[in-house]
Amino acid sequence: RKEVEQDPGPFNVPEGATVAFNCTYSNSASQSFFWYRQDCRKEPKLLMSVYSSGNEDGRFTAQLNRASQYISLLIRDSKLSDSATYLCVPGGYQKVTFGTGTKLQVIP
Amino acid sequence: DTEVTQTPKHLVMGMTNKKSLKCEQHMGHRAMYWYKQKAKKPPELMFVYSYEKLSINESVPSRFSPECPNSSLLNLHLHALQPEDSALYLCASSQSHPGNYGYTFGSGTRLTVV
Repeated sequence: RKEVEQDPGPFNVPEGATVAFNCTYSNSASQSFFWYRQDCRKEPKLLMSVYSSGNEDGRFTAQLNRASQYISLLIRDSKLSDSATYLCVPGGYQKVTFGTGTKLQVIP
Repeated sequence: DTEVTQTPKHLVMGMTNKKSLKCEQHMGHRAMYWYKQKAKKPPELMFVYSYEKLSINESVPSRFSPECPNSSLLNLHLHALQPEDSALYLCASSQSHPGNYGYTFGSGTRLTVV
């Protein structure tokens, strides 16, 4: 099993839709998780940190399922500006491995 | 100040050139990183500095030489690069390493080796 696995997408969703991505991780000892968004030809930017069962910030909700070793990101009321690649990263290790990312395209 | 500043933003260099990438942060972070990112791929770790000491070198070729002059600065010295080294080079910082903290990335240096 890879350290971090994400569905590469692309997820094409209409404006206003709700979309969810999953990220599975292999190390059951992971204590912290991060979602980054990366726009085309830009640097990754930290979107959300998750230290317990989940986190919510406006339209964005991250949920952690430790038993099944996955973390999800839910985006409600999608905006055109949400179009980006979303990278999942388990933290707390010597070597931090980024997931391959899930590409989201929100269409008008 | 919550930024990581990288210079230059773009760099074109020949295979015999020597150049340096620079990175600066003033957030008091004690860990700094160099990542390499190719198109449509996730960032790949190259080096980690923790408290100004090199703690991880991900088997990076010696034509890449990192340097951490102080807790705010990180350099990457480049020499005799190959065209396949063309990529986006990202600097990042975090409060500590390893640690349960997210990274702050700089905007990157887009390097082209000709």
